[in-house]
Amino acid sequence: ETGVTQSPTHLIKTRGQQVTLRCSSQSGHNTVSWYQQALGQGPQFIFQYYREEENGRGNFPPRFSGLQFPNYSSELNVNALELDDSALYLCASSLGLAGAFQKETQYFGPGTRLLVL
Amino acid sequence: AQSVTQLGSHVSVSEGALVLLRCNYSSSVPPYLFWYVQYPNQGLQLLLKYTSAATLVKGINGFEAEFKKSETSFHLTKPSAHMSDAAEYFCAVSDHQGGKLIFGQGTELSVKP
Repeated sequence: ETGVTQSPTHLIKTRGQQVTLRCSSQSGHNTVSWYQQALGQGPQFIFQYYREEENGRGNFPPRFSGLQFPNYSSELNVNALELDDSALYLCASSLGLAGAFQKETQYFGPGTRLLVL
Repeated sequence: AQSVTQLGSHVSVSEGALVLLRCNYSSSVPPYLFWYVQYPNQGLQLLLKYTSAATLVKGINGFEAEFKKSETSFHLTKPSAHMSDAAEYFCAVSDHQGGKLIFGQGTELSVKP
């Protein structure tokens, strides 16, 4: 069974640029959640995708957007990068069941560390 | 709104000593609670979860946690610390509407030889 994978592992961008982060979910999982973890903080929820549809969004501006593909892999796009976007971005997959998302374990990937200069 | 508070951003114990990491939650509905561990430069690994079955939950690597509704707590314990337990530990509650995880600030565990 393949776990959650993310690419790239590290990325350096400059302010104002755009970035795309990728996530492959664990085999059999249909739900992907993205989190931002700033240095020394707990992860903060960005958004969740269930069967290619957005299924909840945290308190992040619209320049954070996402996609989920038919194979349930996912992308996180961030436009107009700001210095405060520097963080570890974590993707988590789970087997989502409508009405029971809260019970399901989310399995995390290793993360993408983004540095914005 | 649901929330999680982890008491103590840093905990240091000696090898072989009891590990106790504290977590208190706030939730208007029966919560689903999780403990994750994060080793340096890695993602999060699930230690254990509570989903309203037994109040004492056993996890991996000898960790366990007890759900106490009256105290709104879900503290993580391990009887005997090992050097390999040094890591960051996060307590989280699952949002009852959509399943997003709401994390505490984390507790860094150091283990002294």
